[in-house]
Parts: sequence; structure tokens; C-alpha cells
Amino acid sequence: AQSVTQPDIHITVSEGASLELRCNYSYGATPYLFWYVQSPGQGLQLLLKYFSGDTLVQGIKGFEAEFKRSQSSFNLRKPSVHWSDAAEYFCAVGASNDYKLSFGAGTTVTVRA
Amino acid sequence: GAGVSQTPSNKVTEKGKYVELRCDPISGHTALYWYRQSLGQGPEFLIYFQGTGAADDSGLPNDRFFAVRPEGSVSTLKIQRTERGDSAVYLCASSPTGGGAVEQFFGPGTRLTVL
Repeated sequence: AQSVTQPDIHITVSEGASLELRCNYSYGATPYLFWYVQSPGQGLQLLLKYFSGDTLVQGIKGFEAEFKRSQSSFNLRKPSVHWSDAAEYFCAVGASNDYKLSFGAGTTVTVRA
Repeated sequence: GAGVSQTPSNKVTEKGKYVELRCDPISGHTALYWYRQSLGQGPEFLIYFQGTGAADDSGLPNDRFFAVRPEGSVSTLKIQRTERGDSAVYLCASSPTGGGAVEQFFGPGTRLTVL
């Protein structure tokens, strides 16, 4: 079964600074990888996904993520954060023969002025 | 277009009571999923519907939990004899088809509190 680890529970970053959120997955075959963002009172919104091909994936809101098979990682990055990026971020893994997503515990991002 | 909607947004109940949580998926989506998100955790899979049938209910924690989707659209998650440990946010998601390479669209969730 697949699993996801997000090592950082909480990250504080200054507005305008860069952000990187870590995600490590465990899965025997090629995974399908997702990053979702959850703002208070809102549902999960998909930021980006990786299925195959180019390992650097561009998403919405200026986010990108890089799939590194050798490190079993799919880290999320943003070059310059905005106050509106304060939220909780979840990495998830799926599989070609499965439909359920396995989520990490999430990373809460606080943006300070 | 309209996204996934869930009602109620909040539900407070007493231990031992019965509750129903409703999910309206995006129109035309054949796949529907329920997840449960406990405080400080990521969502955990409960059940998956393809059309009207529950294709996988392996995530339901015990037989107090049951879900239906009688017409292949709206789904209801039912919890009998609620316990304090059932307190969580229950998320519903839908997708155009099933399978792993498909984006799941999530609703805002129902926050269930069992006193």
C-alpha cells in the first residue's frame, strides 16, 4: 500500500520569501502524485499533479513541484509567497490500479508580513 | 459550474445518536468518494462509489458506518450510534471517472462533533 510522509508540521515564512514543502512517498510502482491546498472552511483544492513525463510540474498560483524517483520525493516550491498562501498543504499519492488517495498529515504554512 | 456541495456544514450531536451527511457531486461525475479528516491529520479514505454501487468500502471503520448512492448522484453517509471518536471533518469528492490518474474534486466538508 502507498503512504506519504510530510516531515514538516508547520512552516513560517516571510511574505516574498521562497517556500519549499517536503513530501516523501512509499509506493512500489510509478505513483500518481498530487498537492492539494486547504484554506479554513474550504475544500481541498488541487495545486498540481504528476502522472508521467516531465518531472518538473507547474501548477496554479505560481506553485511547482519536482518528482525525484531516486529520493521518493515530490517537493512543492514557490519562489515568492503571498499572504494569501497561508493555508494547509497536503501531498497525496495514488496508483494506476487504485482510486483512493493516500494523504500525508499536512503542513501548515504561516506567512508573516 | 457548481462544485461538490455538502450539507450540513456543521453537525453537533450527542453520543449514541444517528446522523446523516449528504454529498452532491459535480453533475455528470460517475465516481464519488468519502474521506474522513481527523484533527491534525490528512484525509483518510472511507468508501468509493462507481455509479450506484459501492466499489470499495474497505475504509469504513466499522459497521456503524454506511453509505448509499441510490441514483448514482447524491450520496449519504450514515453513522449509527455515534461515538466521540467519530468527531471529524467528513469530506466528499467526485471525479468524472474512477481510477488513479483522475483529479478528485473535493467539497468543503461536514464538521461532525459528537458530544
